[in-house]
Amino acid sequence: DAKTTQPTSMDCAEGRAANLPCNHSTISGNEYVYWYRQIHSQGPQYIIHGLKNNETNEMASLIITEDRKSSTLILPHATLRDTAVYYCIRSSGDKLTFGTGTRLAVRP
Amino acid sequence: DTAVSQTPKYLVTQMGNDKSIKCEQNLGHDTMYWYKQDSKKFLKIMFSYNNKELIINETVPNRFSPKSPDKAHLNLHINSLELGDSAVYFCASSPPGAYEQYFGPGTRLTVT
Repeated sequence: DAKTTQPTSMDCAEGRAANLPCNHSTISGNEYVYWYRQIHSQGPQYIIHGLKNNETNEMASLIITEDRKSSTLILPHATLRDTAVYYCIRSSGDKLTFGTGTRLAVRP
Repeated sequence: DTAVSQTPKYLVTQMGNDKSIKCEQNLGHDTMYWYKQDSKKFLKIMFSYNNKELIINETVPNRFSPKSPDKAHLNLHINSLELGDSAVYFCASSPPGAYEQYFGPGTRLTVT
């Protein structure tokens, strides 16, 4: 039970922002929100994580709602290499439970 | 300068055989993991070790035995392989005091 809900698939145009939503309405106070992605035939890649504040790194931004029931991963300028399955995960420790994720297709 | 490496990348073997998959990380991380990704692409944690000590042991058949000779290595030995063991196995590691995990490239195991 992944305990998060994500759209099965999305697409966006190259160069535009990709906004990937995630619902985690039953998240506990000590659980972080993590985002990973898996490019075809590769191992999952860590993107970003946060507890309650918005976070930004060189790969993406993470916006968490004030009630922490949902979040959005933002890839500011999507490229073809960002085509992957994106996983939103909630965890209070090092046990990650991957769901089915969102398959993002970036089109030229 | 590979961070998390696994060998072999592909492994094809017959039912009943015993095989091992090796994992090494050169990141200085304390914690290492094994995950299994089945044909439906579900990725599930199997084991985690912290400084050679078993921390997480999910409901995995005891035919699977992880071994950590030192904190940079976590090998997975599988006895009496079954058809259902066919999957991609990923090793991962995470830094001390942090939870983000860094995954290896995977080992595709095919049992015939």
